Amino acid sequence: GAVVSQHPSWVICKSGTSVKIECRSLDFQATTMFWYRQFPKQSLMLMATSNEGSKATYEQGVEKDKFLINHASLTLSTLTVTSAHPEDSSFYICSARDWVLSTDTQYFGPGTRLTVL
Amino acid sequence: QQQVKQSPQSLIVQKGGISIINCAYENTAFDYFPWYQQFPGKGPALLIAIRPDVSEKKEGRFTISFNKSAKQFSLHIMDSQPGDSATYFCAASRSNTGKLIFGQGTTLQVKP
Repeated sequence: GAVVSQHPSWVICKSGTSVKIECRSLDFQATTMFWYRQFPKQSLMLMATSNEGSKATYEQGVEKDKFLINHASLTLSTLTVTSAHPEDSSFYICSARDWVLSTDTQYFGPGTRLTVL
Repeated sequence: QQQVKQSPQSLIVQKGGISIINCAYENTAFDYFPWYQQFPGKGPALLIAIRPDVSEKKEGRFTISFNKSAKQFSLHIMDSQPGDSATYFCAASRSNTGKLIFGQGTTLQVKP
């Protein structure tokens, strides 16, 4: 149980285009999902907190107009990178909390590798 | 302070040995301390976690030691195996927000 999926697993796009990444909790309901970004050989940096039915809250330094987050259901959150540029190339990882089983445990998705040409 | 400091950056251990990774935090409001294992190109996987009301927690070959007064916690991997070779991250969060603050990571190599 407690599986989180992401789609796509990797994507290559041209500079200036937008890319949508989906994060799904497959066997549990996640009222809160988190989006992280990880550059090569670096740690995970929290980008934003996504709450079902409400606006996402962004960490300091993260452009909310560039990284659009939508959490329309208890099992799906999406991250859209708008007008992507090469510096947005990174590994994007989501996580979800299962409020029924635990208030603390976060389950991570497999990540999405974004390459912007 | 939100920072979580992790050491060492890299670690080489012989098969069967003990791997020890340390973390220190500043924010005393943190009340949840997990350790994650990450393989290249994959998302992190939860190994073990502890809350500050417990000084030690063991699950299989993995043990967390927690020192609340020193604001430090560590991961011990007993009988390390080549399959344990991965990057390990400590993290800390406050339960009411769930926001995980990660350490810098430790790359572990277990030699056969």
